Amino acid sequence: DIQMTQSPSSLSASVGDRVTITCRASQTISRYLNWYQQKPGKAPNLLIFGASNLQSGIPSRFSGSGSGTDFTLTISSLQPEDFATYYCQQTFSAPRTFGQGTKIDIK
Amino acid sequence: EVQLVESGGGSVKPGGSLRLSCEVSGFSFSRSSMTWVRQAPGRGLECVGRIKTKTDGETTDYAAPVKGRFTISRDDSKNTLYLQMNSLKTEDTAVYYCTTDSDYFDSGAFYSVFDVWGQGTMVTVSS
Repeated sequence: DIQMTQSPSSLSASVGDRVTITCRASQTISRYLNWYQQKPGKAPNLLIFGASNLQSGIPSRFSGSGSGTDFTLTISSLQPEDFATYYCQQTFSAPRTFGQGTKIDIK
Repeated sequence: EVQLVESGGGSVKPGGSLRLSCEVSGFSFSRSSMTWVRQAPGRGLECVGRIKTKTDGETTDYAAPVKGRFTISRDDSKNTLYLQMNSLKTEDTAVYYCTTDSDYFDSGAFYSVFDVWGQGTMVTVSS
């Protein structure tokens, strides 16, 4: 199975901060990488697919980049509603595995 | 409005069985592959298994931890997805989500995404 490792596991940030989360795959996955946001008690929500494509309805402050094994999710200016846990997911091969998550909380 | 509503969760003893349902509305269920994803308390996300459409033979695949114990099925006439869970173990305790399993196209490639999710149903396996 392809292992997905996110860093950091958690971070504290303030509204307006630029935040970057990284995700590393244990083997190359081309651009088959998705990002999801999950708020407490809620289902995950798709943010980005194909490493850098913004899902419809997602604010442009979210962006993704990378290919191969190394990927990043950037929030250009953190908003109050962005405090949540973020997961990367590879869909290059089955089983489609997730990273362990990165929790963003308020500094 | 696209909606997925899970039901059937609850408490069961180790070795027991449970069947989850996911009733969908607002989109063409028969044309959608579907996946079950679970999340143990305080933990991350794990794909449980997938079922493809009737056109694709209703092919199923399962994660290693549940293979041989869990079965995914669908009834397109009822717009409902099922997860039959047998021989349950304490480590199966989790919130179980159903999700649409779609392919998005970009720059010459199709990307698999989980784009619509249910609210989740809790399964607790404990003696």
